[in-house]
Amino acid sequence: AQSVTQPDIHITVSEGASLELRCNYSYGATPYLFWYVQSPGQGLQLLLKYFSGDTLVQGIKGFEAEFKRSQSSFNLRKPSVHWSDAAEYFCAVGVNNDMRFGAGTRLTVKP
Amino acid sequence: KAGVTQTPRYLIKTRGQQVTLSCSPISGHRSVSWYQQTPGQGLQFLFEYFSETQRNKGNFPGRFSGRQFSNSRSEMNVSTLELGDSALYLCASRDGGPGVEQYFGPGTRLTVT
Repeated sequence: AQSVTQPDIHITVSEGASLELRCNYSYGATPYLFWYVQSPGQGLQLLLKYFSGDTLVQGIKGFEAEFKRSQSSFNLRKPSVHWSDAAEYFCAVGVNNDMRFGAGTRLTVKP
Repeated sequence: KAGVTQTPRYLIKTRGQQVTLSCSPISGHRSVSWYQQTPGQGLQFLFEYFSETQRNKGNFPGRFSGRQFSNSRSEMNVSTLELGDSALYLCASRDGGPGVEQYFGPGTRLTVT
């Protein structure tokens, strides 16, 4: 079945530590891939997207993501987390005019 | 450009009532999608409208409906509200197909009592 999986429901990291959020998808072809962030009480904001080409994509706020076709993954990374990064992160795939989201990963940042 | 706006931001309704939510997309965007977000089910796609036509539909009962006007503004309607319809309803707009990013509004928080 077509799906987007974010295996980690909740992650806690210390401020200044590195971060990796996992995302796996199951679709027949390489879909369009996105990472969004949602702060409490807000809508979703796009961090970055991948369509084709270079498999390492840079986004806003110092985030990057790497597409790995062999693993059907699109993991989000940040070298050094800031307290303001605490939020919920959603991986999404764009297929056939709609967008399917993963369940989200809530990030807590410890001081 | 102004972002996606949704009205109202908060709404409290009683079971059995109906509700209409409104979304104004970014100027020039012809596609408007609606999502329901709940703690248990996450973000679920409701439907997408493009140039006043429903282009895609998620797996929701017929109580959930929508429409789009010639100025691309969209409304979604939920009839015969149930407690489980309590959720954050998000609207998103874009100016292209599946490869184009969606811009989200702040959402309408619906509480059904």
